[in-house]
Amino acid sequence: GAVVSQHPSWVICKSGTSVKIECRSLDFQATTMFWYRQFPKQSLMLMATSNEGSKATYEQGVEKDKFLINHASLTLSTLTVTSAHPEDSSFYICSVDGERREQYFGPGTRLTVT
Amino acid sequence: AQSVTQLGSHVSVSEGALVLLRCNYSSSVPPYLFWYVQYPNQGLQLLLKYTTGATLVKGINGFEAEFKKSETSFHLTKPSAHMSDAAEYFCAVSDSGGYNKLIFGAGTRLAVHP
Repeated sequence: GAVVSQHPSWVICKSGTSVKIECRSLDFQATTMFWYRQFPKQSLMLMATSNEGSKATYEQGVEKDKFLINHASLTLSTLTVTSAHPEDSSFYICSVDGERREQYFGPGTRLTVT
Repeated sequence: AQSVTQLGSHVSVSEGALVLLRCNYSSSVPPYLFWYVQYPNQGLQLLLKYTTGATLVKGINGFEAEFKKSETSFHLTKPSAHMSDAAEYFCAVSDSGGYNKLIFGAGTRLAVHP
């Protein structure tokens, strides 16, 4: 499968600030990427589907103005959490829609909002 | 709508014992089924998947799963547990249409004790 990286792996930010998380597909052209969030000891919840060169598709209940997704190239998608609040603290994981129905997952980014 | 139910949020086995992690799904179309493993603070790694063909699927690290349509199940097994198998395991389903959205179960934490 593809190698997917995320940066940063861990970020702490103050309430009210914005933070950007990068997801890079290192060896696979990622037309479609997915963003998930995972609360402690819980499952992954799909937030949005990111398509290269077009607007992201958000899942029901996800605020598109709060979680800005940009997928400007076949190797990079970014998730920006705007005006972060403590309840946004979570583990954010991206994945690349790959071959043979597989998704290739990044290592995740832990966001802590103080 | 598709959904996944994993019976047992925690499973504990002795080293060398059989591992059985249960997964049942609901889907109105032929499903694609996956098992992923997650180690602490890491992304997900694909263990195995069922798309079409043989219903007994073999994956990495000695794991296998059997798709049983009549029981809408896709249970994960391993004949002999190893300490390194301790992790969180997620069952996931996507439909056989063109879109590869994954719906995850709640996860099962596997503990392996000496």
